[in-house]
Amino acid sequence: ETGVTQTPRHLVMGMTNKKSLKCEQHLGHNAMYWYKQSAKKPLELMFVYSLEERVENNSVPSRFSPECPNSSHLFLHLHTLQPEDSALYLCASSQDPGIYSGELFFGEGSRLTVL
Amino acid sequence: TQLLEQSPQFLSIQEGENLTVYCNSSSVFSSLQWYRQEPGEGPVLLVTVVTGGEVKKLKRLTFQFGDARKDSSLHITAAQPGDTGLYLCAGPIITQGGSEKLVFGKGTKLTVNP
Repeated sequence: ETGVTQTPRHLVMGMTNKKSLKCEQHLGHNAMYWYKQSAKKPLELMFVYSLEERVENNSVPSRFSPECPNSSHLFLHLHTLQPEDSALYLCASSQDPGIYSGELFFGEGSRLTVL
Repeated sequence: TQLLEQSPQFLSIQEGENLTVYCNSSSVFSSLQWYRQEPGEGPVLLVTVVTGGEVKKLKRLTFQFGDARKDSSLHITAAQPGDTGLYLCAGPIITQGGSEKLVFGKGTKLTVNP
């Protein structure tokens, strides 16, 4: 496998469910990110992890809980979501979180629908 | 308030036509990036421009960074159906906490019809 892989690609859940999104990067990068992509809105940065330590949390509701057990894996745990949380959730990685002249490598995304 | 405004929001053209899309801001950026996102995929970096006035070419794509580093444009010559996708511009900003993060525009959705 190469690049950044996300599972599941599609997820439908009720507001009372608990589910998790998984991201794995095979690039040896030090930083991993969760972004939310909604219709008619720009990509929104949710969380940044650098060397497994969370360095950014952009006022994301607590119903979204990230976990980074090692530098290759990133999870987004979901519970008691709202319909407005329906979106494409993109995971990305980069060599270094502080240098944005570098490149973000994105996964294909997990399309989440909350009923 | 959008830091990066992209226009047009939607563009539908015929194969072989030329087009230009824009990314504008009232803020100065140290660099700007262009990504293309194809349907069902994540964004992929096309180019990074770092010097005011810089022009970069990638086959039929020409990217320009404004002299004042507040805007950028992407020109596609002789568009092909494979150019279809969402074109996103992005630039780094410093947050109130002192860290750096990448902000994105809403994108231009391009459709090239055969």
